[in-house]
Amino acid sequence: KAGVTQTPRYLIKTRGQQVTLSCSPISGHRSVSWYQQTPGQGLQFLFEYFSETQRNKGNFPGRFSGRQFSNSRSEMNVSTLELGDSALYLCASSSPPIAEQYFGPGTRLTVT
Amino acid sequence: EDQVTQSPEALRLQEGESSSLNCSYTVSGLRGLFWYRQDPGKGPEFLFTLYSAGEEKEKERLKATLTKKESFLHITAPKPEDSATYLCAVQAVSGSARQLTFGSGTQLTVLP
Repeated sequence: KAGVTQTPRYLIKTRGQQVTLSCSPISGHRSVSWYQQTPGQGLQFLFEYFSETQRNKGNFPGRFSGRQFSNSRSEMNVSTLELGDSALYLCASSSPPIAEQYFGPGTRLTVT
Repeated sequence: EDQVTQSPEALRLQEGESSSLNCSYTVSGLRGLFWYRQDPGKGPEFLFTLYSAGEEKEKERLKATLTKKESFLHITAPKPEDSATYLCAVQAVSGSARQLTFGSGTQLTVLP
């Protein structure tokens, strides 16, 4: 089975711009979660989608949003980018009720 | 609030020198505890899931154990290719939420 794929792998944006990141889960997995990883804060939960519905959201401002499509693919959007948004954004897929989450390679976002 | 603390932050071992990594957790109700391995610039790679105190899982040179308050990742006769950051995460029993709360990781370096 193919693993979780994320595109693009690297992205450079300017403050104030917006960005959209994409995630394709493992075939058959209907749950997609997004995490932000920074050296200072580690891995932090952003949100989770299951069957096109957001089930849970972490403690991030409203500039961070996401959605899930009928084929389980997911996108996350960050508007009005700030320097502090520079991070590795990771997507993980799972197949409830199985608990394990499998991560993609991440998208490295740099905001200048 | 769920909390995960990993120690030590960094560990240097000689090839063949066995050791253990610690993960202490506080969670309202544990659905599962997860161990991941992360190489630089890559997404976390799933290693183990532990569900209840007393449970043990093994994979090659790695063995994970779980008590009611902590988990250990034992590394037996490590090799340089075991060098990576090892992450511990918990998933709480909280409705349909499936988010993972991560520790800050232990950076393991195995010297030849």
